[in-house]
Amino acid sequence: DVKVTQSSRYLVKRTGEKVFLECVQDMDHENMFWYRQDPGLGLRLIYFSYDVKMKEKGDIPEGYSVSREKKERFSLILESASTNQTSMYLCASSQGNVRQYFGPGTRLLVL
Amino acid sequence: QKEVEQNSGPLSVPEGAIASLNCTYSDRGSQSFFWYRQYSGKSPELIMSIYSNGDQEDGRFTAQLNKASQYVSLLIRDSQPSDSATYLCAVDGKLTFGTGTRLTIIP
Repeated sequence: DVKVTQSSRYLVKRTGEKVFLECVQDMDHENMFWYRQDPGLGLRLIYFSYDVKMKEKGDIPEGYSVSREKKERFSLILESASTNQTSMYLCASSQGNVRQYFGPGTRLLVL
Repeated sequence: QKEVEQNSGPLSVPEGAIASLNCTYSDRGSQSFFWYRQYSGKSPELIMSIYSNGDQEDGRFTAQLNKASQYVSLLIRDSQPSDSATYLCAVDGKLTFGTGTRLTIIP
């Protein structure tokens, strides 16, 4: 079975802190994604990567950056956390244009 | 411009009845369509995928696709309380998601 893991299930940070969210997949998938999910807004794509060191902006990239130095690992970075970045963050991976496999999610609270 | 629209819900259906969830999409060139189920506090899990016009059945679940009308639906037959969840429609490429429909099955 494909496994996608995320570094933390719950995280509490202060405004202005730099925050790292890590995602690891074990199926050699090409594509990896970061979403945030907020009530009433559904899943919104922040960034995705289709290869090592490659990235593309999604629908809401402002305030975020990403890093993919190894195929299995995709990191989301909040350069200076703000309260409006309090959300559930979901990582996913896929091979080609087919289904995505999701990690368990990280619930981030920015105070 | 929202690319994927779902019936907003919430939707309540009696146990044993058929639940019908609908989704429309804007990109006529879309090729792959997916339905995910998401329980409260959990991450989405795939329940159905469909790639060509017509019906795709898997147990109690049927996905229907009409590319001419840019419409995809999910039918859940013999609804069970365990089907109570939010259902997300997703369309290919970067998998654009609808906002989801919350379904509650009433015992």
